[in-house]
This record gives sequence, structure tokens and C-alpha cells, in this order.
Amino acid sequence: DAKTTQPPSMDCAEGRAANLPCNHSTISGNEYVYWYRQIHSQGPQYIIHGLKNNETNEMASLIITEDRKSSTLILPHATLRDTAVYYCIVRVNNAGNMLTFGGGTRLMVKP
Amino acid sequence: GVTQSPTHLIKTRGQQVTLRCSSQSGHNTVSWYQQALGQGPQFIFQYYRKEENGRGNFPPRFSGLQFPNDSSELNVNALELDDSALYLCASSLVGQGASHEQFFGPGTRLTVL
Repeated sequence: DAKTTQPPSMDCAEGRAANLPCNHSTISGNEYVYWYRQIHSQGPQYIIHGLKNNETNEMASLIITEDRKSSTLILPHATLRDTAVYYCIVRVNNAGNMLTFGGGTRLMVKP
Repeated sequence: GVTQSPTHLIKTRGQQVTLRCSSQSGHNTVSWYQQALGQGPQFIFQYYRKEENGRGNFPPRFSGLQFPNDSSELNVNALELDDSALYLCASSLVGQGASHEQFFGPGTRLTVL
């Protein structure tokens, strides 16, 4: 799996949009971008994934640049419960493949 | 969902430990991860249809079993202090048209003294 680079930490005001960046400059053509988050003392939770088109679900939006070398996860209206470590992972789209977690971004949502 | 037991465990160096995971119903693949404090999860190994199907950089004293009733085990022999970590299992369905997500359990916190 290609390597990803994320800022170690970010702050966001409650109610505002949280924009979490991820660089994946060596991504291969058949690798998807996945986002997971881990709330303190819990297991990671799947958020969203995409290949090259922007994706949106009930939790978040994923914006992937045209060259696919970077992406942004957007939480449109962050709440205190969104405080967590967010992991950006690139992988072939096969549930059998392992997930390679980096350090992630620790998002702190403040009132 | 995915459940794990026990939630916490304390062992001493040299002992053996068995951690258990109950996968989401119908899933055929289980993966185990080790998460040291302050770090991201690290892949240990994966089982698909009761066979080991991929292993990370972990020694053979880490072993596993997958049972037909959606349950699985992680066994660690000759525990070392560095084995202290949160152990996570994740289940998924592998196959044509299957979902792509891995669903994680809450983890077992192992402390080795």
C-alpha cells in the first residue's frame, strides 16, 4: 500500500466544517483512498472511501484531487463527538487486504 | 457488530494469553491488529476461511484460529513487556460483490508486567 502523510493534529470549532488533508503522492491507479477514525479507547470506524470521484455519505465528504495525489475529508458541521484520530489509508479495493495505518490526525473539536 | 473479550487483561512476562473475537454474522475474514499507546494499529495477520492469509511483521509466537461459528482467537505465547497494547480484531466479507469495509471490535487492552 502507498504511504500517506497527514498533519499530526488539528483543531476545529464546534459547528464549523473540519477539513482534514491527506497526501498520497505515490498512490497507484487501482488504489482507493479510505478514511477511518478512532475515538478514544474504541476500535477504528470506517467513514468513507473513494477512487477518483468525490464521495459523500451521511458522515462526511471526500474530495480527491484530479491527479489523485491528495485528498481532503470534510466533516461539514463538526460536533464534540467528532473528536478522534482520523486515519487516511490507500489500498486496493479488496476487503481481504490489510489496512496500513499511519499516525493519523488528532482532531480536537472545541466548544 | 464485532465483539471482543475480555476488555482488559493483565499477564506477567513469559505467560501465554488467548484473546477472543466474535465477527459480524456472515463475514468470512478476520484480521488482528496490535495498537501500542499513541500509535496507529499494526497488522498482525488475517484469517480467511480458517486459513492464515497474510501476516505482518510479527513473530510465530503470535498465532490465531478462526472457527466456523464467526468466532476467532489470537494466541500469544511467551509474553514480553512490549506486547502490552490494545489488540483489535476486524471482520469483513471477501468475495465478489462484497462490502469493502472492515468492521472493528472495541479491542482488548493487554498489560504485561
